[in-house]
Amino acid sequence: DTGVSQDPRHKITKRGQNVTFRCDPISEHNRLYWYRQTLGQGPEFLTYFQNEAQLEKSRLLSDRFSAERPKGSFSTLEIQRTEQGDSAMYLCASSSSGLAGSETQYFGPGTRLLVL
Amino acid sequence: AQSVAQPEDQVNVAEGNPLTVKCTYSVSGNPYLFWYVQYPNRGLQFLLKYITGDNLVKGSYGFEAEFNKSQTSFHLKKPSALVSDSALYFCAVRPANNAGNMLTFGGGTRLMVKP
Repeated sequence: DTGVSQDPRHKITKRGQNVTFRCDPISEHNRLYWYRQTLGQGPEFLTYFQNEAQLEKSRLLSDRFSAERPKGSFSTLEIQRTEQGDSAMYLCASSSSGLAGSETQYFGPGTRLLVL
Repeated sequence: AQSVAQPEDQVNVAEGNPLTVKCTYSVSGNPYLFWYVQYPNRGLQFLLKYITGDNLVKGSYGFEAEFNKSQTSFHLKKPSALVSDSALYFCAVRPANNAGNMLTFGGGTRLMVKP
C-alpha cells in the first residue's frame, strides 16, 4: 500500500500527558496537511507544509499544538499537556504540487486520540 | 471566510434508486470543490473534484457531481445506489485564489442504502 500512513492508529492517554503522532505521506508528495475531526463533524484544518516549510499554522488550536516536518518527508504532530477536549481523530493528508489548491489531498487512516 | 453546508444529516435510499447528496458553499471568488467519502474507522477517500470547465464532473465508483455557480451548489449524484455506498460523505471547498491551501469541509451527510 503506497498511500498515506499514520501511526499510531489509536492512542489513549491521561490528561496532562504529551502525545506525538506520525504521518508518512505518499512518497512523491511534497505537501502535507494536518486536520482534526471531532465526532459528527467534518475535518478541521490545522496546519500545512510544503517540503519542510510550515506555510500555515495559524489554525493550530492552541500553543499546546505543534507540528514538524524536518526533512520534508514524514511529519509529527505533538500535543502537550493534553486535555479531554483534545479527544478527536487526527487526520493527515498529502498532495503533489499542482495548480495551487486544485491538487487532490489524499488522506491517511487517522489517529484516534482519547484523553481520559 | 469560506463555508460549506450539507443540509441533510442523513439520506436514505433504496438500492437501485438514484441518490443525491446536497452541498452548497460560500467562497470569495472561484471555488475548487471536492467530495470525499468516509467509511467507519477509516480516513477520507477522494471521490471527485471540480476545478474548471464542464459543470458535470464524473468520479470514482459511478459518482458524479454538478457544479451550479448561480445556486452555489455542488450536489453529489449516482444513478443507481448500492448497499456498499452506505457511508459518510463530505463536501469541501477552497477558494481558487487562496494560498493557504486548506480545505473547508461541511458537516457530512450519512448515506444509508437499504436492500
